[in-house]
Amino acid sequence: DSGVTQTPKHLITATGQRVTLRCSPRSGDLSVYWYQQSLDQGLQFLIQYYNGEERAKGNILERFSAQQFPDLHSELNLSSLELGDSALYFCASSGRTGNGYTFGSGTRLTVV
Amino acid sequence: SQQGEEDPQALSIQEGENATMNCSYKTSINNLQWYRQNSGRGLVHLNLIRSNEREKHSGRLRVTLDTSKKSSSLLITASRAADTASYFCATDEGSTLGRLYFGRGTQLTVWP
Repeated sequence: DSGVTQTPKHLITATGQRVTLRCSPRSGDLSVYWYQQSLDQGLQFLIQYYNGEERAKGNILERFSAQQFPDLHSELNLSSLELGDSALYFCASSGRTGNGYTFGSGTRLTVV
Repeated sequence: SQQGEEDPQALSIQEGENATMNCSYKTSINNLQWYRQNSGRGLVHLNLIRSNEREKHSGRLRVTLDTSKKSSSLLITASRAADTASYFCATDEGSTLGRLYFGRGTQLTVWP
């Protein structure tokens, strides 16, 4: 157990639907990062939150949104899902900037 | 952006042999990190080397950094079947925000 909890582990949904992925960071970590991993694109940085505030945005589609709550857990919302959104979605957390990330075990999203 | 690029894409060796994986990157960095990922699982942080460091050792792992060549290497000595995994390098592209950009990884297979 890395200390970063992601739910659900697996999700199968139809095109056009909306899903919410949840992440609880390691205790004490203020930064949360979301990544998408697919075979063709590799690990793509989506978005970063620090202590409730959005800090950096990467290759996140407009159909996707995220937030970090006062208790520091974070949610990634994916809407109007397309087949190409099928991927592993990882959450990671870190303490001090410049330290390593702690990754969750990921959510495998399959869009059918 | 895909900052780090690992080489080779795949490496297959026998137990007991050494495995060397290389990473090249494009911009200045504050630090470079190496991660391991077992199939379908979350990434695990292995090592962090700062831009003013040239070499770090941790057990059977040795990481080097050459900022003049914008390259790093990860050496695993006396490899074991349990080392079979994908290995990724990640850089911060000189940003202090904390986000990391990952390469596509090297798939290491260690045969018993």
